[in-house]
Amino acid sequence: SQKIEQNSEALNIQEGKTATLTCNYTNYSPAYLQWYRQDPGRGPVFLLLIRENEKEKRKERLKVTFDTTLKQSLFHITASQPADSATYLCALDMLSDFNKFYFGSGTKLNVKP
Amino acid sequence: ETGVTQSPTHLIKTRGQQVTLRCSSQSGHNTVSWYQQALGQGPQFIFQYYREEENGRGNFPPRFSGLQFPNYSSELNVNALELDDSALYLCASSFTGGQRETQYFGPGTRLLVL
Repeated sequence: SQKIEQNSEALNIQEGKTATLTCNYTNYSPAYLQWYRQDPGRGPVFLLLIRENEKEKRKERLKVTFDTTLKQSLFHITASQPADSATYLCALDMLSDFNKFYFGSGTKLNVKP
Repeated sequence: ETGVTQSPTHLIKTRGQQVTLRCSSQSGHNTVSWYQQALGQGPQFIFQYYREEENGRGNFPPRFSGLQFPNYSSELNVNALELDDSALYLCASSFTGGQRETQYFGPGTRLLVL
């Protein structure tokens, strides 16, 4: 089965810096890879989707890269703000299991003022 | 807010009991997925319903079952509750057909099994 690895240790950065979060997966490449934000006690909120044939996607201060050779996605938040503090989840939408999503356990980001 | 609602928000049950959780999908969406999220973990896919039929299932036993209604709302039923079933249960709605869209999650139902 698919295994997804996100850094379980919290990422602590200073306001204004760029945060970079990593998502690694094993086995089959997904059709789509998505990043979500989750605040405590709330449901995940969709941020960005990148397809297997795309290398990079941007939305405002967010950027996602997808390397199917390395089986890795990087999620960047530029000019980070304390309001960006949350847990960020990557999710894989599998070709072999269409409409089935596999989530990583998430990385907690703390942005300090 | 996503427009996806779930009820109840919190629930306490005892081991062996049965529970039904409800989800109303976002307007225009025809697919509902259910997830279980244990504390400190990512959501685990339980199953998905499309056109009132199960359309994919994760690694959960048959005592986890569901329904989707003609208005695309959905229920998750769990029989013979176990202590490990304590978790946040999330539903997510999406649209299947045409260009793929993402999932929109509800706020979740927090279930505690004693």
